[in-house]
Amino acid sequence: AQSVTQLGSHVSVSEGALVLLRCNYSSSVPPYLFWYVQYPNQGLQLLLKYTSAATLVKGINGFEAEFKKSETSFHLTKPSAHMSDAAEYFCAVTAEGGGGADGLTFGKGTHLIIQP
Amino acid sequence: DTAVSQTPKYLVTQMGNDKSIKCEQNLGHDTMYWYKQDSKKFLKIMFSYNNKELIINETVPNRFSPKSPDKAHLNLHINSLELGDSAVYFCASSDRDRAVGYTFGSGTRLTVV
Repeated sequence: AQSVTQLGSHVSVSEGALVLLRCNYSSSVPPYLFWYVQYPNQGLQLLLKYTSAATLVKGINGFEAEFKKSETSFHLTKPSAHMSDAAEYFCAVTAEGGGGADGLTFGKGTHLIIQP
Repeated sequence: DTAVSQTPKYLVTQMGNDKSIKCEQNLGHDTMYWYKQDSKKFLKIMFSYNNKELIINETVPNRFSPKSPDKAHLNLHINSLELGDSAVYFCASSDRDRAVGYTFGSGTRLTVV
């Protein structure tokens, strides 16, 4: 069984400040981890993913995340926030490997607010 | 070209009606899914199909029935709609190798009145 906990349902940062969105996971098997972004009234867009290669993963729009097995964490960061980053962010987990039809288990999401 | 497409984008209907949402993917993926996003934006898997075979069927009322005519299509039929069915429904697909990732459609906002 797998689960994801996103700390902070709402995070507010000033434009130009560091963005840090927290994600902790629980998995009985090696995980694959994903961050998705959802803009208002839109679908889910993949930001980045960890799939057992490099632990520091770079994604689109200047975001990156680091997989820390010892802390069971996969926090999302961006050095400098833009107004366009305002959106809902979801961390998700699935089991490592191919085959089967395991879906993603999502966290409850973090709403990122950018203050001008 | 849209990778995962859902129709309709919006659906407003009365309680008790039966409705369908269609999903098609052109990525050549083997597995397709339906997710429900509730009013608090929580995403939960409903079903997954692997090459036309039902694999996951979470605790969803049996009024919801997925149908997969081929591995590129996964439709969702909902009978006797209830107010609580109002949500955004997302279709998604994935490759056999999950490292490739999951691609989501743009969602169908269902409103039951």
